[in-house]
Amino acid sequence: DIQMTQSPSTLSASVGDRVAITCRASENINIWLAWYQQKPGKAPKFLISRASNLESGVPSRFSGSGSGTEFTLTISSLQPDDFATYYCQQHKSYPRTFGQGTKVEIK
Amino acid sequence: EVQLVESGGGLVQPGGSLRLSCAASGYTFSNYWMSWVRQAPGKGLEWVANIKEDGNEKYYIDSVKGRFTISRDNAKNLLYVQMNSLRAEDTAVYYCTRDGSGTSNNWGQGTPVTVSS
Repeated sequence: DIQMTQSPSTLSASVGDRVAITCRASENINIWLAWYQQKPGKAPKFLISRASNLESGVPSRFSGSGSGTEFTLTISSLQPDDFATYYCQQHKSYPRTFGQGTKVEIK
Repeated sequence: EVQLVESGGGLVQPGGSLRLSCAASGYTFSNYWMSWVRQAPGKGLEWVANIKEDGNEKYYIDSVKGRFTISRDNAKNLLYVQMNSLRAEDTAVYYCTRDGSGTSNNWGQGTPVTVSS
């Protein structure tokens, strides 16, 4: 199975900050990487596919980059609605595997 | 608007069985792969299984192979997962998702499953 590792596990930031979350795959997954956002008690929300394709309706302050084994989710200017947990997922092969999550909390 | 509504969760004893359902609406159900994703209490997301549009391809995570069966009824717009020989480690909220190109693009609200004596 492909292992996905996110860093950091927790990120403390302020409104307006630029934040970046890293996701590393245990093997080459090309661009087959997705990002999700989850708020407490809610279902996850799909943000990005194929490493950098923003889902319709997702604010442009979110962006994804990377290929191969290293990927980044960047929020250019953190908004109050962005405090949540973020997960990466590889969609290259089965079983689909998620990273352990990165919690973005208020500093 | 895509809507996915799960049902069938609850408390079950170890070794027991449960069938979860997911009612889909707002789109042509038979045109999309569908998945089940679970989340244990306080833990991260874990993809469990998925099924092709026509039901002829299915994939599972190793830990549920031989115990869980994913299926669908395209005439009724329903997705199922039959869960047998349940274990404590199957305790989780189970989400039904509509898939894109290998991604879970739309999610239901989830149904909780607790395996405990």
